[in-house]
Amino acid sequence: DTGVSQDPRHKITKRGQNVTFRCDPISEHNRLYWYRQTLGQGPEFLTYFQNEAQLEKSRLLSDRFSAERPKGSFSTLEIQRTEQGDSAMYLCASSLYPSGDGYTFGSGTRLTVV
Amino acid sequence: AQTVTQSQPEMSVQEAETVTLSCTYDTSENNYYLFWYKQPPSRQMILVIRQEAYKQQNATENRFSVNFQKAAKSFSLKISDSQLGDTAMYFCAFMDVGSGNTPLVFGKGTRLSVIA
Repeated sequence: DTGVSQDPRHKITKRGQNVTFRCDPISEHNRLYWYRQTLGQGPEFLTYFQNEAQLEKSRLLSDRFSAERPKGSFSTLEIQRTEQGDSAMYLCASSLYPSGDGYTFGSGTRLTVV
Repeated sequence: AQTVTQSQPEMSVQEAETVTLSCTYDTSENNYYLFWYKQPPSRQMILVIRQEAYKQQNATENRFSVNFQKAAKSFSLKISDSQLGDTAMYFCAFMDVGSGNTPLVFGKGTRLSVIA
């Protein structure tokens, strides 16, 4: 297994456009998480899945954000009508529940909204 | 809701010296795990060390060890024999395992610079 993969690594988009990010977790992991990280800050939780079920969404998550994990494998995170405040690093991680071994993170997708 | 506080935004240490990074957390739960993650510049986050709250013994991983004080809700990371490759952001994180392993809650991080 090559770890958690995220695509693309970088995305520059114009304000108002829609963007979609993809995450491929470690194949044995049943949980998948999305976090957002701005410069100099810690990761902020967005949402997570167990298999294909979305278990929780952060109350901070705007309705413009949606995530899916069809078939319980890869996941996509879509941001509609992007705003400059959406500029951040979007991190994906996976873990094996109920083990509390911690998460394996991907390299992230850096989004810049201009 | 749980919170994690890292009160040292930046620290520096001379190569081969020892440095301690501080972390405090707030929770009413009794069954939880604590983690330290390392994020090198422009690289992905990796797990450094984990502590289970029910264990009194402090976790160690080679040059990395923790001082876990449950009553004080304190979880500091000690790095011994610091190396240039230890230069990174370090994040403390909390997981409540009594409620189905809630998503990790992170602190704001400490930027550590190891100086040659």
